[in-house]
Amino acid sequence: NAGVTQTPKFQVLKTGQSMTLQCAQDMNHNSMYWYRQDPGMGLRLIYYSASEGTTDKGEVPNGYNVSRLNKREFSLRLESAAPSQTSVYFCASKLQTSRAFFGQGTRLTVV
Amino acid sequence: TQLLEQSPQFLSIQEGENLTVYCNSSSVFSSLQWYRQEPGEGPVLLVTVVTGGEVKKLKRLTFQFGDARKDSSLHITAAQPGDTGLYLCAGEWGGADGLTFGKGTHLIIQP
Repeated sequence: NAGVTQTPKFQVLKTGQSMTLQCAQDMNHNSMYWYRQDPGMGLRLIYYSASEGTTDKGEVPNGYNVSRLNKREFSLRLESAAPSQTSVYFCASKLQTSRAFFGQGTRLTVV
Repeated sequence: TQLLEQSPQFLSIQEGENLTVYCNSSSVFSSLQWYRQEPGEGPVLLVTVVTGGEVKKLKRLTFQFGDARKDSSLHITAAQPGDTGLYLCAGEWGGADGLTFGKGTHLIIQP
């Protein structure tokens, strides 16, 4: 009963490096989300995917790309990391009109 | 994306006092959800309100959805130290595919 699994849990990048955050859910949910959480800013939506094959921008999409590989997996890519992208990233999934289930988060530091 | 304004951002009160947290928007939401987040963890759902004017109670917590489905409130009666945490409201939109969070209320209940 894994729920939402995010990897990695911690990552340190140098400015300009790229990386992909992985997210997988085993609950057959249609919708998946990527948020970033910064002190005093709450959870801000980066991208979301309402169904396999579709993705849409959220509040803060600049500097990120996403891929909905299949119904289970939704990855977030940073092509050229910047210190402003230092944050805690959360992946979530849900069905329509249901609660969102969250992963444990990825703590990313860009130096 | 829709925006949610949550207030207050920080609240520190004594055990036994009552408090109310507000969540407001100019947008109409399909539903309003309230989450609680512990340090190092993802948010966990407390309650969902769907119908305008709806009131739900969870022990000492009372949640209300505004008549126009644009705002919500969380009232805690006789707060206890165990209520300490980050409380987040979230609104569903776009056919319930979108999920936007407020900035959160950091609540500290002092013994």
